[in-house]
Amino acid sequence: SAVISQKPSRDICQRGTSLTIQCQVDSQVTMMFWYRQQPGQSLTLIATANQGSEATYESGFVIDKFPISRPNLTFSTLTVSNMSPEDSSIYLCSVPMGGGLAFGPGTRLTVT
Amino acid sequence: KQEVTQIPAALSVPEGENLVLNCSFTDSAIYNLQWFRQDPGKGLTSLLLIQSSQREQTSGRLNASLDKSSGRSTLYIAASQPGDSATYLCAVDTSGTYKYIFGTGTRLKVLA
Repeated sequence: SAVISQKPSRDICQRGTSLTIQCQVDSQVTMMFWYRQQPGQSLTLIATANQGSEATYESGFVIDKFPISRPNLTFSTLTVSNMSPEDSSIYLCSVPMGGGLAFGPGTRLTVT
Repeated sequence: KQEVTQIPAALSVPEGENLVLNCSFTDSAIYNLQWFRQDPGKGLTSLLLIQSSQREQTSGRLNASLDKSSGRSTLYIAASQPGDSATYLCAVDTSGTYKYIFGTGTRLKVLA
C-alpha cells in the first residue's frame, strides 16, 4: 500500500495570507486528489491533480483560490490563497489504491 | 446528484455490543463503495472496499454489505471495543473515476 505524507501537519495563519500544502507519495500515481473537511463536516473534493496538465476543479472551487501543482507522479501541492477564517479546515490528499482511495494524514489549517 | 447519508449521526454503546452503521445513497448506479475510519483530528484509514460486482467484504470483526438496488450499505462491528471509538465514513464512486462522494459520518463511542 502507498505511504502518503503531507507537510505541514498543521498551521495557524493570518487572514489574507497564503499557505502551500505538500503531498508526497512513495510510488508513482496518475491521479492525486485534494479534499477539504470543514469543522464538523464530511469531506468535499476540491480538485484532481493530473501530472502534465491543469488540475480539474469541482463545482464551487476555483484555480485562483486553490492553485495546484503536479510536477511529477509522486508529488503535488495545494495552495490556499488569500485566506479567510472560512478556510479553516483539514486538507487531505489522496490517491487511488486498489479500486478505492488511500489518504494522507491531513493538514489542519486554522485562519485567524 | 448523488447524496450519501449516514444514520445514526452519533452512537454510544457499551463495550462488547454488536452494532450496525448505515449508509444510504440516492443514485444506485455506483461503482465502488468504501468504508473509512477517522480518529479526531486525523486522516482517514480505509476499512473495507466493496467493488461493483461484490455484495460484501469482511475484515476481522468488521463486515460490510452492499445492496445497490436499495441504495444501502451497512457496516457491522462485532464485539465492539473502546478502541473502535472514532467517526466512520462511507464513500461512493459513482463514475468509476475515483471521485468518491462522502457521507455525513457516524460518530461512535464505545464505553468501557
